[in-house]
Amino acid sequence: NAGVTQTPKFQVLKTGQSMTLQCAQDMNHEYMSWYRQDPGMGLRLIHYSVGAGITDQGEVPNGYNVSRSTTEDFPLRLLSAAPSQTSVYFCASRPQTSGASTDTQYFGPGTRLTVL
Amino acid sequence: AQSVAQPEDQVNVAEGNPLTVKCTYSVSGNPYLFWYVQYPNRGLQFLLKYITGDNLVKGSYGFEAEFNKSQTSFHLKKPSALVSDSALYFCAVRDKGSSASKIIFGSGTRLSIRP
Repeated sequence: NAGVTQTPKFQVLKTGQSMTLQCAQDMNHEYMSWYRQDPGMGLRLIHYSVGAGITDQGEVPNGYNVSRSTTEDFPLRLLSAAPSQTSVYFCASRPQTSGASTDTQYFGPGTRLTVL
Repeated sequence: AQSVAQPEDQVNVAEGNPLTVKCTYSVSGNPYLFWYVQYPNRGLQFLLKYITGDNLVKGSYGFEAEFNKSQTSFHLKKPSALVSDSALYFCAVRDKGSSASKIIFGSGTRLSIRP
């Protein structure tokens, strides 16, 4: 299994540009999520999905869109990039069953995004 | 509201010495607690978790953590540090009564082990 994969690894955008960060997992996990990691702030949840066709907002959703057309893929779209979106973005997945035993998440390697 | 604090940005330890990375939390109910590790240019990896039962939890790579309800702490420990333990460590918490999407991560502690 490849686990959770993310592309690209690095990206530089100009203010106002749009782009899509790709995330895929091959573990048949129902739950997928996107986080951003900023210095001194830990990870903050952007959006998450509990299954194909179902998405919801996390802590910091503004400026981002997501969709979940398949179990495997969960792309994150930046509609109009801003310097405040400069960050490292992590995708994660886990099985969606009840109980904290399933809280253990599997993270991708991250995408480092710079917005000029 | 739930929160988690890692009071130290950086911890420096000599190889072979014991290490402790501190974590305190605040939840309205009972907590689920987690430790993750992040190596350079990698995603987070799960180390260990406390759900219920024994307050001392053992995890990967020889790490353990002790849940202390009275002090609302969940410090990560290892008896003898290795240089390869150098990484960024994150504590995370969520209230048992909340959705799994409500997990909160701390700001991280950078652990540096000198030879």
